[in-house]
Amino acid sequence: KQEVTQIPAALSVPEGENLVLNCSFTDSAIYNLQWFRQDPGKGLTSLLLIQSSQREQTSGRLNASLDKSSGRSTLYIAASQPGDSATYLCAVKHSGYALNFGKGTSLLVTP
Amino acid sequence: GAGVSQSPRYKVAKRGQDVALRCDPISGHVSLFWYQQALGQGPEFLTYFQNEAQLDKSGLPSDRFFAERPEGSVSTLKIQRTQQEDSAVYLCASSYPLAGELFFGEGSRLTVL
Repeated sequence: KQEVTQIPAALSVPEGENLVLNCSFTDSAIYNLQWFRQDPGKGLTSLLLIQSSQREQTSGRLNASLDKSSGRSTLYIAASQPGDSATYLCAVKHSGYALNFGKGTSLLVTP
Repeated sequence: GAGVSQSPRYKVAKRGQDVALRCDPISGHVSLFWYQQALGQGPEFLTYFQNEAQLDKSGLPSDRFFAERPEGSVSTLKIQRTQQEDSAVYLCASSYPLAGELFFGEGSRLTVL
């Protein structure tokens, strides 16, 4: 089974900082990679979807990059805000139907 | 509807009871997934439907778990003779097409006493 690892497991930063969340996967033969946000007691909200042919995707203050050869993706959050506090999950799709998820990075942005 | 809808949001069951969890995907979404999320973990795949066909049920943990999507829209996940280890959040997601962006519901939190 594909292993997806997210580092760090938890992160606390002051408001305004730029930050990077990391995701690594063991099998580079992926179809796509998706970043999600999960607020406590809620479902997952899709943030960015990167197809295997793409190197990065941007949405507002978020930028996600993909390096298949090294089995890595990063989620960059610019000018962090308290409202960004949540758990961020990385998920990888290979052949087959399932998305394989990491355990997530719990982010706290303090005012 | 505007998003994926799941019900009930919370379910408490006594060990041994049967439960049924409902998912109403985004209209027109062909693909429907069920995931199980334990506390502090990422979601784990349970099963996948393409329209009414269940194409992958490899993630169902035991034969007590059963899922259906008879008309290719609403899906039900049924758990028979619930056990304490079944306590988790059950998430439903839909997409169109299969490799497209995945949209999740808010989940059904099951607690088995």
